[in-house]
Amino acid sequence: EVQLVQSEAEVKKPGESLKISCKGSGYSFSNYWIAWVRQTPGKGLEWMGIIYPGDSDTRYSPSFQGQVTISADKSISTAYLQWRSLEASDTAMYYCARRAPQSEYSEYWGQGTLVTVSS
Amino acid sequence: IQLTQSPSSLSASAGDRVTITCRASQGISSYLAWYQQKPGKAPKLLIYAASTLQSGVPSRFSGSGSGTDFTLTISSLQPEDFATYYCQQLNSHPLTFGGGTKVEIK
Repeated sequence: EVQLVQSEAEVKKPGESLKISCKGSGYSFSNYWIAWVRQTPGKGLEWMGIIYPGDSDTRYSPSFQGQVTISADKSISTAYLQWRSLEASDTAMYYCARRAPQSEYSEYWGQGTLVTVSS
Repeated sequence: IQLTQSPSSLSASAGDRVTITCRASQGISSYLAWYQQKPGKAPKLLIYAASTLQSGVPSRFSGSGSGTDFTLTISSLQPEDFATYYCQQLNSHPLTFGGGTKVEIK
């Protein structure tokens, strides 16, 4: 059974750093792209970027380029989303999702990680 | 590519036929997916390639369209279908989602 299990909710202060994770199981993690999606009440669902764990090829949405870092460690079947300096506007639910082979749609989703940034 | 969903919300009764539309700001062929999201849960894939039903999704869900205009239809609304529905274009990066359509109980 394909599963994506994300790290627990985080509460951080502005300016702090953060790295959240997404661990895949039940399939060959290296061979499927993993996307990150942000959800907020105001802006809805936003595709942030995608990574191919096999070679760490990464693509970012222009809206998120330079704001976050997407990475992966295929040896432990885990993808990451990282911030160097959080802002209140980063408060959101973040989902990882496995892309289907040969297409861009997201077949499998993690349960989400709620990130709250507040002073 | 911007996606505009309509309506943003609707009220319907169990057994009703429901239609949700998604319009793309430019042609995307059939590179469109539909997702269902319930409160506190991750989105769930319903349809991809505009009209292909994901495995395990009930046949009362159907999708149609190509180019710029797409439709998600629920032929007979069931209690478990009350949720928010999103379209997503898969034509080019950055992938984008529609604003969502909340289907509520009448």
